[in-house]
Amino acid sequence: DGGITQSPKYLFRKEGQNVTLSCEQNLNHDAMYWYRQDPGQGLRLIYYSQIVNDFQKGDIAEGYSVSREKKESFPLTVTSAQKNPTAFYLCASSILWEGDTGELFFGEGSRLTVL
Amino acid sequence: AQKITQTQPGMFVQEKEAVTLDCTYDTSDPSYGLFWYKQPSSGEMIFLIYQGSYDQQNATEGRYSLNFQKARKSANLVISASQLGDSAMYFCAMREGLYNAGNMLTFGGGTRLMVKP
Repeated sequence: DGGITQSPKYLFRKEGQNVTLSCEQNLNHDAMYWYRQDPGQGLRLIYYSQIVNDFQKGDIAEGYSVSREKKESFPLTVTSAQKNPTAFYLCASSILWEGDTGELFFGEGSRLTVL
Repeated sequence: AQKITQTQPGMFVQEKEAVTLDCTYDTSDPSYGLFWYKQPSSGEMIFLIYQGSYDQQNATEGRYSLNFQKARKSANLVISASQLGDSAMYFCAMREGLYNAGNMLTFGGGTRLMVKP
């Protein structure tokens, strides 16, 4: 089945440790995105990428890093510099085409808890 | 300033009745798109409906319709004949510009809908 796979689903981390969240898509979408969601709130954009080897910061990029070495993959690293990393992280992808609505397709999310 | 505002943190609706979830937006770009997503307690985001800024008619998808009032900058979601499975968080979102701007969506704070049997 085509879709977006995020792993791990749940992750616990000690303070001061970096952690990498995986995001893989087999939809052949050009663009990929990382969003953060805090309890009871909306989604905020961390990073996005429209093409391999290129990505841009979103609204809350501080303390995060990404890479886009393959079209299918867009991993997110939560670094020790992120002051409040406990959150729900959602990866998404979309087609970049004039005739498309631009709908984002989401993975099931990764829940990170810092102990 | 908030680009997407959802003023109803939580709402109750009786099963089989219709409900309207409010969304107002703010943009100066003439080209934009408006989306509604549903998020059940499991966390995944489910796309419901889309409205383009140049679309003349209100979008409809099954029991979902979007009441698009461009002059008022509102894009309210109407769910007809509510079902227990409609209980979830609902998010309004906006894309500013055309597809080549990157399709980044800005989300509102969400409305929690609870359907009563």
